[in-house]
Amino acid sequence: KNQVEQSPQSLIILEGKNCTLQCNYTVSPFSNLRWYKQDTGRGPVSLTIMTFSENTKSNGRYTATLDADTKQSSLHITASQLSDSASYICVASRGSTLGRLYFGRGTQLTVWP
Amino acid sequence: DTEVTQTPKHLVMGMTNKKSLKCEQHMGHRAMYWYKQKAKKPPELMFVYSYEKLSINESVPSRFSPECPNSSLLNLHLHALQPEDSALYLCASSQVGREAATYTQYFGPGTRLTVL
Repeated sequence: KNQVEQSPQSLIILEGKNCTLQCNYTVSPFSNLRWYKQDTGRGPVSLTIMTFSENTKSNGRYTATLDADTKQSSLHITASQLSDSASYICVASRGSTLGRLYFGRGTQLTVWP
Repeated sequence: DTEVTQTPKHLVMGMTNKKSLKCEQHMGHRAMYWYKQKAKKPPELMFVYSYEKLSINESVPSRFSPECPNSSLLNLHLHALQPEDSALYLCASSQVGREAATYTQYFGPGTRLTVL
């Protein structure tokens, strides 16, 4: 069964601190893994996308890692800011021409001042 | 320009009304998507259009009727909806091709629909 699971479900950190979000997937055949940021009531915004041959990818203060052998990914946020408060969604894609996506439930991150 | 626009931002409708949601992109993408998202849940795929033709219908009730009049526009026609259809409706677009699985889907801001 094609699934994406994320942990923790929610996380509260203080401004300036680092945090790491986890994602496990069982999508097959696996094509790539994406992390999206979604503010409440808004559409998801892409942070990173990695194919099975990539181990890490950065986008500013966001660094994603991928272990295709263990089917795990993480998103590390450095020096968190209040604007980082959002839902972070892990999304796995199967190999297809239409890019069907499998979404995790997201980790709700709250950054406190 | 990596923007997908959606109108209206908010929509309140009765169960007997007919309304339409609109989505537009000018990135030259030939795949467009409709998603439904309930609170605190991930987006659920509804429809996919590829080259203006309906490619995927995820067993969506017929009260939702998609339309892709051209490569830049995507509509979702609504009729006789139920209160449980209240949700955030997201439009997305992406490139299509042999490497399509690696292409980013760009999402619009969504339309918040409330059915009374």
